[in-house]
Amino acid sequence: AQKITQTQPGMFVQEKEAVTLDCTYDTSDPSYGLFWYKQPSSGEMIFLIYQGSYDQQNATEGRYSLNFQKARKSANLVISASQLGDSAMYFCAMLPGANSKLTFGKGITLSVRP
Amino acid sequence: DAGVTQSPTHLIKTRGQQVTLRCSPKSGHDTVSWYQQALGQGPQFIFQYYEEEERQRGNFPDRFSGHQFPNYSSELNVNALLLGDSALYLCASSEGQETNTGELFFGEGSRLTVL
Repeated sequence: AQKITQTQPGMFVQEKEAVTLDCTYDTSDPSYGLFWYKQPSSGEMIFLIYQGSYDQQNATEGRYSLNFQKARKSANLVISASQLGDSAMYFCAMLPGANSKLTFGKGITLSVRP
Repeated sequence: DAGVTQSPTHLIKTRGQQVTLRCSPKSGHDTVSWYQQALGQGPQFIFQYYEEEERQRGNFPDRFSGHQFPNYSSELNVNALLLGDSALYLCASSEGQETNTGELFFGEGSRLTVL
């Protein structure tokens, strides 16, 4: 079975600063994908970044980067230069091998202060 | 290019009633998955449709059923509604059954309240 753990309480960050959102996972599949999604109050899940388990380099997408530590089974999201519009819920999710069922964590609330 | 669209956006039902939620996938996508997100929780996988058939199913009772049409759009039906069915129902679309590149897009969801 797959499991995603997000245990941080609500996170606060000053505008223009960087913030790290933690995610640990557990799976027995050798091949898997890790995702981060942003969910604003409107409800839509917005895709941010993807990391494959066999990718040699950490994924980056603009201000988002994924700190992938395979041995520790962690996939932390780093947001650089935070903006007020980054305030939202953030979910870490995993897709095991030949499967289409995303397993989500409970999410982390991020609030960006002006 | 329209993304994933869902309808209705909000609805209120009473216990025992039935509800149908609809989803149109992103252009070029042929696979639709449904998720239930209770308040304060992460989404839970309900099932996935590909080539008009249910391909995978999560841990949900038979009261939850679905359908996929030839144009790839999909419906989620829930019978005999319970208070615990109150949630945001999210539809996600992708190309092909296996999504290993992050190409999985969600709609804004249908928020169901059961009274």
